[in-house]
Amino acid sequence: GAGVSQSPSNKVTEKGKDVELRCDPISGHTALYWYRQSLGQGLEFLIYFQGNSAPDKSGLPSDRFSAERTGGSVSTLTIQRTQQEDSAVYLCASSSSRRTGTGPYEQYFGPGTRLTVT
Amino acid sequence: AQSVTQLDSQVPVFEEAPVELRCNYSSSVSVYLFWYVQYPNQGLQLLLKYLSGSTLVKGINGFEAEFNKSQTSFHLRKPSVHISDTAEYFCAVWMDSSYKLIFGSGTRLLVRP
Repeated sequence: GAGVSQSPSNKVTEKGKDVELRCDPISGHTALYWYRQSLGQGLEFLIYFQGNSAPDKSGLPSDRFSAERTGGSVSTLTIQRTQQEDSAVYLCASSSSRRTGTGPYEQYFGPGTRLTVT
Repeated sequence: AQSVTQLDSQVPVFEEAPVELRCNYSSSVSVYLFWYVQYPNQGLQLLLKYLSGSTLVKGINGFEAEFNKSQTSFHLRKPSVHISDTAEYFCAVWMDSSYKLIFGSGTRLLVRP
């Protein structure tokens, strides 16, 4: 498909385990964002990748969270030693870097990964 | 710093009634404003955007929003809602200095028959 895809759609894990969440952005989009959406909350920015530049990690809540983006495309968000408060929906979005057309500010979201830590 | 305030966490409304979802932003620079909709168990979808030009912006599904610079508002409206409009609605402002969208906390629109 042409949209942003994420896998898995649902993940249940035990407290203390590591998890990896995957995001496939729209082909040609150079910007990729990760957000966390906790129950009843808005979207919390986690990390932002733009092309080959160093990522903006200012939103990561702790050093248990990390993300990488390989080849400027697929991204993986890793949460180590998961805690119950990590339970949330993790959303990925991509956007074009161009300032014409859809521009960098129009983000296209994936369906999310619902993470449950038991 | 830019921020977005959605004062109403939930708005119940009867089908075919009009609705307004409120959004206020704080910014000292030019703003790009957005409304996104999230249907149950789905990601966010762009509803409409204001970049420049006419302050009345029309989006998908019959929604529109008006940019009011003096009141720093970008309220979302629909003259007649449907059951299918039941969803979470997020207002957002683009932060050009850091290339980020700043989202409000969301408003749940609940349309009743």
